[in-house]
Amino acid sequence: AQKVTQAQTEISVVEKEDVTLDCVYETRDTTYYLFWYKQPPSGELVFLIRRNSFDEQNEISGRYSWNFQKSTSSFNFTITASQVVDSAVYFCALFDYKLSFGAGTTVTVRA
Amino acid sequence: DGGITQSPKYLFRKEGQNVTLSCEQNLNHDAMYWYRQDPGQGLRLIYYSQIVNDFQKGDIAEGYSVSREKKESFPLTVTSAQKNPTAFYLCASSRAGPRGTEAFFGQGTRLTVV
Repeated sequence: AQKVTQAQTEISVVEKEDVTLDCVYETRDTTYYLFWYKQPPSGELVFLIRRNSFDEQNEISGRYSWNFQKSTSSFNFTITASQVVDSAVYFCALFDYKLSFGAGTTVTVRA
Repeated sequence: DGGITQSPKYLFRKEGQNVTLSCEQNLNHDAMYWYRQDPGQGLRLIYYSQIVNDFQKGDIAEGYSVSREKKESFPLTVTSAQKNPTAFYLCASSRAGPRGTEAFFGQGTRLTVV
């Protein structure tokens, strides 16, 4: 069964537009963590943000923000004022007893 | 500098051959992972290890084998039983125990069967 679902396969925006990536997860654990990773064309995954299951406070870090809603099992991620360098594949991940990834969303930011 | 090193970056294998992908970390992490990524797809977990001399199968372990004799090393062998091994392989490590620690990834090995 799919544990992490990213509904959008691809998103294309013009520079300075905001981009929101959706993520829905499934777990039976009460303690778990959620992550967003970025994979640029070089291939290496880069950690972006982390949220634990006990803290639903939404935060902003620079141009990144996230919206965690435990009631709907969603962990959405927003890039504000997108830039060309934000073009990459973005993965949502769930860590309950192992680290599971969604299928990824390819973000293309056009100048 | 601390990090994860995967080698080689590119690997070509003839059908019927076993090949071993190397993964070394100097982050003093207990947990290590191997993922497979196919074009346009997400990462699928092959094997993971939470401690030395112990490892568990992930979602797609068939045709693969691993060992964890040292904390720093978690090599992956792609055996001839793996019917479609051409893919991008990523190794990761994290602190074990608490589930909230992020995983750090190597730069990947691109395996091609010729």
